[in-house]
Amino acid sequence: EVQLVESGGGLVQAGGSLRLSCAASGFTFSSYAMSWVRQAPGKGLEWVSAVINSDDSTYYADSVKGRFTISRDTSKKTLYLQMNSLRAEDSAVYYCAKDGGNWYFDLWGRGTLVTVSS
Amino acid sequence: DIVMTQSPDSLAVSLGERATINCKSSQSVLYSSNNKNYLAWYQQKPGQPPQLLLYWASTRESGVPDRFSGSGSGTDFTLTISNLQADDVAVYYCQQYYSTPITFGPGTKVEIK
Repeated sequence: EVQLVESGGGLVQAGGSLRLSCAASGFTFSSYAMSWVRQAPGKGLEWVSAVINSDDSTYYADSVKGRFTISRDTSKKTLYLQMNSLRAEDSAVYYCAKDGGNWYFDLWGRGTLVTVSS
Repeated sequence: DIVMTQSPDSLAVSLGERATINCKSSQSVLYSSNNKNYLAWYQQKPGQPPQLLLYWASTRESGVPDRFSGSGSGTDFTLTISNLQADDVAVYYCQQYYSTPITFGPGTKVEIK
């Protein structure tokens, strides 16, 4: 089955760290760019970060640049998001999303909730 | 950054009628070299992740009913849901992928009247 399954979310204090994981199955993980997209409670979608399949180039939203690091392990078919110096405004459901070929997203996980307490 | 706006914020449509959602980008998302609009539409039902409906502004994703259609070019786009069904109750987002950072519209909530 083609799917993405996120894990690693939870409650953390402001200034703390978390590492999110996204396990991919059912497709050739190494052939696609992958992104993280977040959604604060009751709010809209915000793209966070992407890693490109061809050369592992990484991209970040300004709101997380310097604090978050995206990476992938193709042998484990897993995408990661290391989140440091967390802030209350980082509280959101974090979705892992597969690139459909040109930075639109054709497969999403169910998300993992991150809550940062201040 | 390209700013995406949507209108209306919400709309209520009777079953079987048409829903029209507008999306506007702060700059053109039409790439002249391939004449493609780098614009996608998503549907998000309550408690679920978003689901891709359309890309290249008007190309339906596999499995998406043909009741969903997209139009527009440059900076102005429309998502039309014909023959609205109860299962179409959701929030709809547009997204530009012309340039990073990728940006989404604020969403339009569709309800049944």
